[in-house]
Amino acid sequence: DAKTTQPTSMDCAEGRAANLPCNHSTISGNEYVYWYRQIHSQGPQYIIHGLKNNETNEMASLIITEDRKSSTLILPHATLRDTAVYYCIVRVYNAGNMLTFGGGTRLMVKP
Amino acid sequence: GAVVSQHPSWVICKSGTSVKIECRSLDFQATTMFWYRQFPKQSLMLMATSNEGSKATYEQGVEKDKFLINHASLTLSTLTVTSAHPEDSSFYICSVPSSGANVLTFGAGSRLTVL
Repeated sequence: DAKTTQPTSMDCAEGRAANLPCNHSTISGNEYVYWYRQIHSQGPQYIIHGLKNNETNEMASLIITEDRKSSTLILPHATLRDTAVYYCIVRVYNAGNMLTFGGGTRLMVKP
Repeated sequence: GAVVSQHPSWVICKSGTSVKIECRSLDFQATTMFWYRQFPKQSLMLMATSNEGSKATYEQGVEKDKFLINHASLTLSTLTVTSAHPEDSSFYICSVPSSGANVLTFGAGSRLTVL
């Protein structure tokens, strides 16, 4: 799986958009970008994934650059409950494959 | 995605005893489940892949005789920490692959404290 680089931590004001970047410059053509988050003392939670097109769901938006070497997860209106560690993971789409977690970005949403 | 139930959510035990953690896939038949471990302020590390009806596959450095995994049915995998020691104190999390979107659904985790 391609390696990802994320900032260690970020702050965001409550109600504002949180933009979490991820670099994956060695991504290969058949690898997807997945985002998960882990709220303190809980198991990780799936957020969104994409291949090359931008994606949006009820939780977030995923913007992938045209060269696919980086992406940004956007939480449009961050709340205090969005405080968590966010993991960007790149891997081949293959049902049953495990995930390899990096350090992630610790997002602190402040009132 | 799948609905995953993990039990117990926390457990405290004495050194030398064994602890069993259960992971149940409530609405999805899982031939494979994954067990992760997370130490404080660290990321999740894959311990082993649990395979229904066959032996688990362990990651390098994980002792298979210490961390016994049983996946006897399509909805249940168990992790038993045998002869637990304080250094085994950690957050253990299971996950189940869902069909379709190729997403992993995680249990809520089990926090083990060995005294």
